[in-house]
Amino acid sequence: AQSVAQPEDQVNVAEGNPLTVKCTYSVSGNPYLFWYVQYPNRGLQFLLKYITGDNLVKGSYGFEAEFNKSQTSFHLKKPSALVSDSALYFCAVRDIGETGRRALTFGSGTRLQVQP
Amino acid sequence: DGGITQSPKYLFRKEGQNVTLSCEQNLNHDAMYWYRQDPGQGLRLIYYSQIVNDFQKGDIAEGYSVSREKKESFPLTVTSAQKNPTAFYLCASSIQGRRGEQYFGPGTRLTVT
Repeated sequence: AQSVAQPEDQVNVAEGNPLTVKCTYSVSGNPYLFWYVQYPNRGLQFLLKYITGDNLVKGSYGFEAEFNKSQTSFHLKKPSALVSDSALYFCAVRDIGETGRRALTFGSGTRLQVQP
Repeated sequence: DGGITQSPKYLFRKEGQNVTLSCEQNLNHDAMYWYRQDPGQGLRLIYYSQIVNDFQKGDIAEGYSVSREKKESFPLTVTSAQKNPTAFYLCASSIQGRRGEQYFGPGTRLTVT
């Protein structure tokens, strides 16, 4: 079975400061990992994904994430936060070894609040 | 929100009535998915379909039904058997295979009273 944990319900950061949104995962094999962002009453927008290769993945809007296999983590980062980054962020995983289920498993979400 | 449309955006129904949520995509994706979102619980998978005329139950399929008669369309029916149907429903699609990210529609907020 695959699962994802986002340990923080909310992250607060001042504009211009670096931000980190944490994600840890559990899979039986190797993971495909994804980050999505959701604005109020909207669908999810894809930010970035890790499939294989370089552990540091760069995505949309200046976001990046670091895959750490030993810590089973995939934290989302941005060097300088913007007020417009305030939204709900979801981490998701798919187990490469899971041949049956093809859908993603999502974390519970982390609300990012960037103060001006 | 890409090439996925969901209608309507807001839907109100009386308890005991079945209701069908529409999901259409023009991305030529083979796979389509339905998720339910409740506050603080993230997204939970209801049903998914990898190909036309085939679909599988997700984690919370009880009280829901789907059909996949066309590649572009994956409607979800919330039946009167669903005990707590009020939620935000999200439809998604992806290319076939495990690497592809999912693209989401704008969602339908269903309120049942």
